[in-house]
Amino acid sequence: DSGVTQTPKHLITATGQRVTLRCSPRSGDLSVYWYQQSLDQGLQFLIQYYNGEERAKGNILERFSAQQFPDLHSELNLSSLELGDSALYFCASSLDRGAGELFFGEGSRLTVL
Amino acid sequence: AQSVTQPDIHITVSEGASLELRCNYSYGATPYLFWYVQSPGQGLQLLLKYFSGDTLVQGIKGFEAEFKRSQSSFNLRKPSVHWSDAAEYFCAVGALRFGNEKLTFGTGTRLTIIP
Repeated sequence: DSGVTQTPKHLITATGQRVTLRCSPRSGDLSVYWYQQSLDQGLQFLIQYYNGEERAKGNILERFSAQQFPDLHSELNLSSLELGDSALYFCASSLDRGAGELFFGEGSRLTVL
Repeated sequence: AQSVTQPDIHITVSEGASLELRCNYSYGATPYLFWYVQSPGQGLQLLLKYFSGDTLVQGIKGFEAEFKRSQSSFNLRKPSVHWSDAAEYFCAVGALRFGNEKLTFGTGTRLTIIP
């Protein structure tokens, strides 16, 4: 158990819809990262928040957005969903902003039909 | 730009046999290297990491990896695999002067263990 909690574990929705994925980081960790894992793209970094503020953006689509709340949990919002958005979305946390060990949640598997 | 190559998509080994998973990286500065393992239905877990010092690093679950700067490699090894080692293994490269947002993951190697 990494200490990172993600909900929901599985989500099935239709094209054009909007979903929200939630992540609670490990106790004491200030940084939250979101990754997308798909068969053709591998593990892709989407976005990072540190102590409530956006710190870095990766390959995140404009249809996707995220935020980190004062209690440090984070939400990833995916809108106008397309078939190609079907993937496993991981949240990871770390103690600070620097390079170091990432603690991953078990992921949220999104299926867009 | 930094990159990581895991040339083996899928490896099958017998239980009790030795294992070596290959990882080659391209990075302009001193790399910070990681191996993560993803068991079925789980998130990634750190096995070991290297930044500096002894080029042979020990990790959890009996794994070790050796950093070879001249070969730009960071191969993962285990002397005797167990059925529970069946998983997907990811090599990653970053740099201490950057944060984890600059971490680049390889495409992974799936390990199958046969009795």
